[in-house]
Amino acid sequence: AQSVTQLDSQVPVFEEAPVELRCNYSSSVSVYLFWYVQYPNQGLQLLLKYLSGSTLVKGINGFEAEFNKSQTSFHLRKPSVHISDTAEYFCAVTPTSGSRLTFGEGTQLTVNP
Amino acid sequence: ETGVTQSPTHLIKTRGQQVTLRCSSQSGHNTVSWYQQALGQGPQFIFQYYREEENGRGNFPPRFSGLQFPNYSSELNVNALELDDSALYLCASSFPGQGTYEQYFGPGTRLTVT
Repeated sequence: AQSVTQLDSQVPVFEEAPVELRCNYSSSVSVYLFWYVQYPNQGLQLLLKYLSGSTLVKGINGFEAEFNKSQTSFHLRKPSVHISDTAEYFCAVTPTSGSRLTFGEGTQLTVNP
Repeated sequence: ETGVTQSPTHLIKTRGQQVTLRCSSQSGHNTVSWYQQALGQGPQFIFQYYREEENGRGNFPPRFSGLQFPNYSSELNVNALELDDSALYLCASSFPGQGTYEQYFGPGTRLTVT
């Protein structure tokens, strides 16, 4: 079984500041890792994914994440946030043998002017 | 290319009733997964359908059931509704054979049980 822990339930930041949303996972098997974003009253949109290869992955809207196998972490970063980045962010994992996603509880990112 | 669509958008039901939610997968995708997202929580996996067969189930009781049709669209049925079934129900489609493991989500159906 897999589990995902998002270490911050809410992250308030000012516009143009850098941000890091933290995600740790636990799994007895190899996993793929994902970050999704959810805007109010909408479904989930994929930001980025790690399947293999370089541990630094770049996604849409200027986001990037780094996979750290030894620390079982997959933290999401953006060097300069915009008001439009205000949303709920979910970290998720799936075993490499299947496609069942296990999600964290989410981090609400609020960007203030 | 048409994305994942879900109907209805919102639904209000009474405890004990039955409900059917519908999902049309993205063109070319043969796998549909359903998730329940309670308010303030992350989505929880309900089950997955691949080529019209159930292909994995989460920790949900049998009153949650589903179907997948030859065109890969899908239904989620919930019997004997309980207040705790109030949630956003998300459908996601994918094509595992592409090797991307990416799931494309629909906008969801908001179910309120009173």
